[in-house]
Amino acid sequence: DGGITQSPKYLFRKEGQNVTLSCEQNLNHDAMYWYRQDPGQGLRLIYYSQIVNDFQKGDIAEGYSVSREKKESFPLTVTSAQKNPTAFYLCASPSPGRGTEAFFGQGTRLTVV
Amino acid sequence: GENVEQHPSTLSVQEGDSAVIKCTYSDSASNYFPWYKQELGKRPQLIIDIRSNVGEKKDQRIAVTLNKTAKHFSLHITETQPEDSAVYFCAANSGGSNYKLTFGKGTLLTVNP
Repeated sequence: DGGITQSPKYLFRKEGQNVTLSCEQNLNHDAMYWYRQDPGQGLRLIYYSQIVNDFQKGDIAEGYSVSREKKESFPLTVTSAQKNPTAFYLCASPSPGRGTEAFFGQGTRLTVV
Repeated sequence: GENVEQHPSTLSVQEGDSAVIKCTYSDSASNYFPWYKQELGKRPQLIIDIRSNVGEKKDQRIAVTLNKTAKHFSLHITETQPEDSAVYFCAANSGGSNYKLTFGKGTLLTVNP
């Protein structure tokens, strides 16, 4: 499955709560990315990390936070400041040996109830 | 930053016909252009990509063309089959970065039997 594991597959959150989405990779890749997917919007970049202990904001970082304490892990926290968090979240990790082909995880569908 | 426009947003063809999806990009430093196929509820999967040092690449029924001067690239699917039905995304790397991709908004392709 490409070595990228996202969990859980489905997640429900009450308004006002923070929630953390997990992304783990066993590919030994340096770079990891988080994308958000909404119907008709394509994939939009939230945060990305090109190396351990370093990360940068993407195009829609407001209301999200990340950490990169280990090479294998890049968790995404959706905070209560994110006004419209219901979406499909995809973690990706490009392969340096093959150019920039991005391997995607299976995704987490977050629903605010 | 990079801006990727994708057209059309929906495309319906008869089985056996060809399908063409077009994308334009804004960043002249972009040099990597992948195409992804996403079936309903699943992760995007790379189907073909092209680098800026070539103008065309073909893989069986799928081909991609690139015009760097005009900053546009296209996906061509010949002899379409019902299993080609999916959402297709184009992407371009941003600022010459090896890893950061900007995606188009997607094209829903429906192949009618």
